[in-house]
Amino acid sequence: NAGVMQNPRHLVRRRGQEARLRCSPVKGHSHVYWYRQLPEEGLKFMVYLQKENIIDESGMPKERFSAEFPKEGPSILRIQQVVRGDSAAYFCASSRGTLYEQYFGPGTRLTVT
Amino acid sequence: DQQVKQNSPSLSVQEGRISILNCDYTNSMFDYFLWYKKYPAEGPTFLISISSIKDKNEDGRFTVFLNKSAKHLSLHIVPSQPGDSAVYFCAARVDQTGANNLFFGTGTRLTVIP
Repeated sequence: NAGVMQNPRHLVRRRGQEARLRCSPVKGHSHVYWYRQLPEEGLKFMVYLQKENIIDESGMPKERFSAEFPKEGPSILRIQQVVRGDSAAYFCASSRGTLYEQYFGPGTRLTVT
Repeated sequence: DQQVKQNSPSLSVQEGRISILNCDYTNSMFDYFLWYKKYPAEGPTFLISISSIKDKNEDGRFTVFLNKSAKHLSLHIVPSQPGDSAVYFCAARVDQTGANNLFFGTGTRLTVIP
């Protein structure tokens, strides 16, 4: 009964590189959410996806960030041309439907040097 | 625009005593509230929740109280145990289809002293 899996757990990128963060939801969950936690802050919602669809991306920065949840495979959060301000912990959560509890993964800690 | 606020960044409590963690919110559209517990280097773990139609929900040592008129909720842990030491996040959402994202507070670090 595996929980939400995220990889890598730690990712170091130089400014200008791309970061790809992966999330495998709980088996049977078709709803995925991405949150970002900056140092000393709470988690901030970024994007909500169902299989092959973006439902709500109101928390996503308009540029450089994109997310997908393909029919097969994990959800991917992609950050292009990373900057120092992107350094944060990125958490993925999944649920089996709207209004069901969200279960969180262990997070990916992105460091931009 | 912090819609969910936890004004106490830290709290220390003796083992066996009650821990009370507080949370305030500003958005009157919120109608479902949750508490998550987070250990270092791990993701948040769901602890307990409450719908706005209730004012109390209890689960073992954990009780959440909701005061809608004051836009305030609290988490009571009794008796507190050293294993409860963690960061506790309050979260809220609007309970309608398609609006499932959670709004989190900044967290309260609870330390239970043996």
